Amino acid sequence: GNSVTQMEGPVTLSEEAFLTINCTYTATGYPSLFWYVQYPGEGLQLLLKATKADDKGSNKGFEATYRKETTSFHLEKGSVQVSDSAVYFCALSDQSGNQFYFGTGTSLTVIP
Amino acid sequence: EADIYQTPRYLVIGTGKKITLECSQTMGHDKMYWYQQDPGMELHLIHYSYGVNSTEKGDLSSESTVSRIRTEHFPLTLESARPSHTSQYLCASSEFGSLAYGYTFGSGTRLTVV
Repeated sequence: GNSVTQMEGPVTLSEEAFLTINCTYTATGYPSLFWYVQYPGEGLQLLLKATKADDKGSNKGFEATYRKETTSFHLEKGSVQVSDSAVYFCALSDQSGNQFYFGTGTSLTVIP
Repeated sequence: EADIYQTPRYLVIGTGKKITLECSQTMGHDKMYWYQQDPGMELHLIHYSYGVNSTEKGDLSSESTVSRIRTEHFPLTLESARPSHTSQYLCASSEFGSLAYGYTFGSGTRLTVV
């Protein structure tokens, strides 16, 4: 079946530190992969996506590369800011596009 | 700017009350979803719909019910609220076969049952 496993948190970093949040997946066929971000008191917002192997999604300084050989989609940012403090969800859409699978979320706190 | 709207944002009610959480989207999406988010942040799918007059239960058993009479509207109802229903409820929508587009989420309703 399809599933997403992401790094457990919480993660606490100092401002300007490098961020990696690991995400691996299990899927049949050719899924699409996503990262969503949830700021306090809000719903989820799409951060970036990749629809095929070796695609790199990027947005707001965040990047993730769809690695089929390692079934991974790790989220990275070179220099985090306090405003990046949020919960990050890795997600997978199956090949039909009709089912989504979310990871359990990773809480990030960036301190000045 | 949100294209999917949830009301109310916050709700505190007494045990045994009937409540309806509203969700509307203006994008003409066929598919709509309700998720319950526990304090540990994990998302649990409780209901979904693939179009008008189509509703299905999700992975997490829920005492709530949903209806889909209009494409844009997907309300969730609790007939008799209990403290165990205290949670954040998130509504989402997507286009059919939206492999590349993902979900659009509302801002959520935080429900507290006392």
